[in-house]
Formats: sequence, structure tokens, C-alpha cells
Amino acid sequence: DTAVSQTPKYLVTQMGNDKSIKCEQNLGHDTMYWYKQDSKKFLKIMFSYNNKELIINETVPNRFSPKSPDKAHLNLHINSLELGDSAVYFCASSSRRGQLLDNEQFFGPGTRLTVL
Amino acid sequence: AQTVTQSQPEMSVQEAETVTLSCTYDTSESNYYLFWYKQPPSRQMILVIRQEAYKQQNATENRFSVNFQKAAKSFSLKISDSQLGDTAMYFCAFMNSGGGGADGLTFGKGTHLIIQP
Repeated sequence: DTAVSQTPKYLVTQMGNDKSIKCEQNLGHDTMYWYKQDSKKFLKIMFSYNNKELIINETVPNRFSPKSPDKAHLNLHINSLELGDSAVYFCASSSRRGQLLDNEQFFGPGTRLTVL
Repeated sequence: AQTVTQSQPEMSVQEAETVTLSCTYDTSESNYYLFWYKQPPSRQMILVIRQEAYKQQNATENRFSVNFQKAAKSFSLKISDSQLGDTAMYFCAFMNSGGGGADGLTFGKGTHLIIQP
């Protein structure tokens, strides 16, 4: 059973297009995240969602928007794609109870986005 | 805001040797978690080991152990009896435990570890 899944795993598109990456977790976690890994392998948090509420929003362009239809899903929509958006995007999930971290983060397999 | 520094971009050792990857961090928080993640060429992020800052005892997981020095803000990873399958990028990561992990993980830039046969 896949704990955190992402689709698609590879995405090649033209500049200016709008695209979405889907993420689903079957772990019953209540917090989900999106991370970006750039060409130098540097990983940085983009968004965090808990119970459909955006918790943090790092300084990412507003062309990026997370959408969570339910606790098990956190999709990433990207509008007007730019060359610099090319990267690997990771979804992750974790569980918390109140203010305590209940578990470590589980990562999806990543989506390699290439903007031409 | 916290920062995580990995000063070794790349390391190479022979199979069966012991290798230590260094990590330092900077934070004003008193309660936090530290992690080492492994990323093989498959790009899957795999948790290697975790350490709660309030625990003085260093975490161990089979061939992997850490040297956690809270006062020095140092969190190194030791891999004993290294194997070819240990070849991967290794990331040190920090998470503030206050807020239940809402801040997400702060990663270092990674160390590319190569195990030579």
C-alpha cells in the first residue's frame, strides 16, 4: 500500500501553461506539505495544510496555490508556468495532536516538473 | 527562523568503512526534532534517523547513529560498516516541535555520499 502518492511522476509542459499535481495520503494524517527541490537538490517548504487550513505560506509566488478537497488530499496548482518552476515537487504528510508532533513526515515519490 | 548547515557537499569512502556526516543548526527554539533523510537516485525521501532535542541519549538505528551535541547545535550522522546501497544524498533537517510541525522541515543543502566497492 502506498502511503503518500503523487500524480503525475513526470510532467513536461510549455511556459505559460497551467498545471496541477495531485497528492493523496492514506495514513490518516491531518497535516500535509508541499516541498520544492531545485536543480541543486535544495529542499524548501512551500506550504503546510492542517484540517483544510493553510498554516504557513513561505515566500512562493501566488501563481502557486494549494487546494485541499479533504484531509487525505493536497493538490498543487501552478498558473502561468515559468522556466524557473522546473524542479521536483514533493508532497508529505504528518500527524499532530494539539501542539505535539505525533509522527515524522512521510514523503511521496516526487513529481519532476520540466518547463520548456 | 532556523538554519541548517551541512559543510560537506560530497564524501567518498570504501565499502565497510565508517563515515561521519556533519550537520550544524541554528535556532532560538528549545524544543525541536532533528532528522537525517536519505535520498537515493530513485529520489524517494527515506527517513534514516530522528532525535528529539529533549533527549540526551543519542539515537541509533542499526548501522546508523547520531552524535547530538545540543549546546554546540551539532547533529552528525555516523554510518558504520558502509554498504554500496548507502550511496545517496543525505539531508539533515530541523523541525520545531512547537505548533505540532506546522512549520515543516528546514533542510540543509545535503551531502552526496559515495560508497566505493
